Amino acid sequence: AQSVSQHNHHVILSEAASLELGCNYSYGGTVNLFWYVQYPGQHLQLLLKYFSGDPLVKGIKGFEAEFIKSKFSFNLRKPSVQWSDTAEYFCAVRVLQDSNYQLIWGAGTKLIIKP
Amino acid sequence: DGGITQSPKYLFRKEGQNVTLSCEQNLNHDAMYWYRQDPGQGLRLIYYSQIVNDFQKGDIAEGYSVSREKKESFPLTVTSAQKNPTAFYLCASRDGPRSGNTIYFGEGSWLTVV
Repeated sequence: AQSVSQHNHHVILSEAASLELGCNYSYGGTVNLFWYVQYPGQHLQLLLKYFSGDPLVKGIKGFEAEFIKSKFSFNLRKPSVQWSDTAEYFCAVRVLQDSNYQLIWGAGTKLIIKP
Repeated sequence: DGGITQSPKYLFRKEGQNVTLSCEQNLNHDAMYWYRQDPGQGLRLIYYSQIVNDFQKGDIAEGYSVSREKKESFPLTVTSAQKNPTAFYLCASRDGPRSGNTIYFGEGSWLTVV
């Protein structure tokens, strides 16, 4: 069965540190890839997405992600985090299954930035 | 403003009772979804609807029911058959392929069984 793995459930960093959150998926076909973010007390919102083309995708708030097809990965990065980046981050992969597109979610990574 | 509205935000239910969570969207999206979010787990799909008057079971549909009588509305009923209903429930809708098939979420509803 298809699955999405986010390697770290909790990450704690200091401000200005660099961030990389891992996301790996298991599916051999064509995928669309997403990162969503949920700030404390707010709803989930799209951070960035990859459909095709340049595998390095830039999103909002200085985030970027790189699709490496050979590694089945779509890691999220930010060169210098801020306290306001404290949130939960979800990776999601859309696959074609039984003639329908299905969205498969990772378990989420809680990111805490220490001021 | 366009968006997805879920209500109530917090709900307490006694064991054995059914409860219905409301989800309304004014984004003119055809597709709508209900997810359940539990700590340490990814979002799990309960039900989804691609179009009015049609809906499909997701991965964890047992103990839940939905209806899609109007495009704007996709209410979820948590029945007494759901063994572990205490959770955070998220409603979502999806725009079309021209807009990238992006999913938009409501603010969620916390359901607690007492």
